[in-house]
Amino acid sequence: NAGVMQNPRHLVRRRGQEARLRCSPMKGHSHVYWYRQLPEEGLKFMVYLQKENIIDESGMPKERFSAEFPKEGPSILRIQQVVRGDSAAYFCASSPNTRGQDEQFFGPGTRLTVL
Amino acid sequence: GQSLEQPSEVTAVEGAIVQINCTYQTSGFYGLSWYQQHDGGAPTFLSYNALDGLEETGRFSSFLSRSDSYGYLLLQELQMKDSASYFCAVNTGGFKTIFGAGTRLFVKA
Repeated sequence: NAGVMQNPRHLVRRRGQEARLRCSPMKGHSHVYWYRQLPEEGLKFMVYLQKENIIDESGMPKERFSAEFPKEGPSILRIQQVVRGDSAAYFCASSPNTRGQDEQFFGPGTRLTVL
Repeated sequence: GQSLEQPSEVTAVEGAIVQINCTYQTSGFYGLSWYQQHDGGAPTFLSYNALDGLEETGRFSSFLSRSDSYGYLLLQELQMKDSASYFCAVNTGGFKTIFGAGTRLFVKA
């Protein structure tokens, strides 16, 4: 059973470009979370999605950031017109359907560098 | 606001026991989790406490006191490979989880 997959692992963008980060959850998991981590800091919740639905996006900046989890295919975190402050590691996690299990399975992350 | 407090750094020697504390103040509470993260790696799940008391998993144990909004992670028989960052995290309701800033553990020989 493959784990959570993220790609690309490293992404370099110039200011003003768009960044697209992809996440495929573990098989059988329909809950996906995106987190941002700055160096030497903890994980900041961004958004929680289920298939075709954004459940909680309270941690997502109001502008330039969007997320989706279509019926088919991976979840996508999209950052438009990137700025240097967007440079961070972005982790995706998934969890099973069963309520009460709190374990989240994390992908290897995408390290975004904005030049 | 919602906050989780944990020490930023802890140093211990190989073979010793170390305790990493976590206090939380959140609008909701379903349970307290602990995650380990090595430099450059992904967080990995260690434990989850929904009820008061001690949960033991091998060399690692986790404790929760909901009345004190407090928990800790206990690592025994420390090994060099335990050097990593440890995050406490609170499930505030449903599936939303708030993470602490992390405790960096240094294990010395």
